[in-house]
Amino acid sequence: EVQLVESGGGLVQPGASLKLSCVASGFTFSDYWMSWVRQTPGKTMEWIGDIKYDGSYTNYAPSLKNRFTISRDNAKSTLYLQMSNVRSEDTATYYCTTMMVPGLMDAWGQGASVTVSS
Amino acid sequence: DIVLTQSPALAVSLEQRATISCKTSQNVDNYGISYMHWYQQKPGQQPKLLIYEGSNLASGIPARFSGSGSGTDFTLTIDPVEADDIAIYYCQQSKDYRTFGGGTKLELK
Repeated sequence: EVQLVESGGGLVQPGASLKLSCVASGFTFSDYWMSWVRQTPGKTMEWIGDIKYDGSYTNYAPSLKNRFTISRDNAKSTLYLQMSNVRSEDTATYYCTTMMVPGLMDAWGQGASVTVSS
Repeated sequence: DIVLTQSPALAVSLEQRATISCKTSQNVDNYGISYMHWYQQKPGQQPKLLIYEGSNLASGIPARFSGSGSGTDFTLTIDPVEADDIAIYYCQQSKDYRTFGGGTKLELK
């Protein structure tokens, strides 16, 4: 069974940095593209970016690419999201997902909550 | 950006048909494939893939769910609706980057 477990969320001050992790199990992590998607408290869904199975290619939402970085460690079956200079509008639940093909999010983690506030 | 527009809510009776629409600001078809996908999100849970590439049922999803459409107009149909289907339904395109619709909340009449 595919399992994705996000961690690293919490309360963070505006302007700070935060790194989320997503530990994967139940499938061969190094065979899959992965992505991060966030959902605001108002339930709006926003795609953040994708990463190729070997980490050689990343693709980001244009509005976020200057502050967010996606990486992965296939040896640890772990996906990462580095967030910098966070703003109040980054307050959301952050999900990692598998992608059987690029752009198709076929399994989702339970999400990590991030609140940006002073 | 490709903008996806969904109605905010739909009220339906149990055992009736629910039709949820998604309209895109640009064509999301390419070489015969519709890059349109549908997700279900129940309260307190993560989203779950229902339909991919316009009309393909994801693994483990009941045949009560179906997807149709092409170009800029797509539909998710649930027939018949069961109590367990009460959720928010999102469409998402992957033709150009990835964007989601605003979601349609399915409610009981």
